[in-house]
Amino acid sequence: QQKVQQSPESLIVPEGGMASLNCTFSDRNSQYFWWYRQHSGEGPKALMSIFSNGDKKEGRFTAHLNKASLYVSLHIKDSQPSDSALYFCAVSMGNYQLIWGSGTKLIIKP
Amino acid sequence: EAGVTQSPRYAVLQEGQAVSFWCDPISGHDTLYWYQQPRDQGPQLLVYFRDEAVIDNSQLPSDRFSAVRPKGTNSTLKIQSAKQGDTATYLCASSPFGGAPQNTLYFGAGTRLSVL
Repeated sequence: QQKVQQSPESLIVPEGGMASLNCTFSDRNSQYFWWYRQHSGEGPKALMSIFSNGDKKEGRFTAHLNKASLYVSLHIKDSQPSDSALYFCAVSMGNYQLIWGSGTKLIIKP
Repeated sequence: EAGVTQSPRYAVLQEGQAVSFWCDPISGHDTLYWYQQPRDQGPQLLVYFRDEAVIDNSQLPSDRFSAVRPKGTNSTLKIQSAKQGDTATYLCASSPFGGAPQNTLYFGAGTRLSVL
């Protein structure tokens, strides 16, 4: 049974700083990895996906994947107050089923 | 382009009461998902449709929960006799192209259910 764990549970970062979010998964057959962001009172919204080992950069956001180490991370550069939200890592084995972590609550302090 | 629309936004029930949640997915999306999100947890899949067919409802508590998508567009999730443990946010999501895992899920704002 795939397990997806995120750390830390919560994170406070000063405005303009770097936020680093971590996610580990248990099944080596995992293929697709997503980061979703959920603002209070809204549904999750896809931030970025990564499917191959290495880094993927989209604007201020960089995802890193290491399948051998069962690890994926998200780094947010130049953090803004609007980045304050709940961040979820979600992992697929290659079918429709996404297994979600329990989230990291990110607070950007002005 | 309109997003995924859910109603109602909030529901408060006594144990034993029934409630229905409604979802209108993005036009043209053939796959539709219902998720349950307990407070401070990640979403957990309840049921997955492709067009009008149920593909996976293995996580749906079938004795009290039911879900339909009769014309392959809108969907309704119903709880027949709510329990306090059902307190959660119920999220609907849609996706194009048969729900391939490379595709983004688009979520509605959810229905926040409290069962007293």
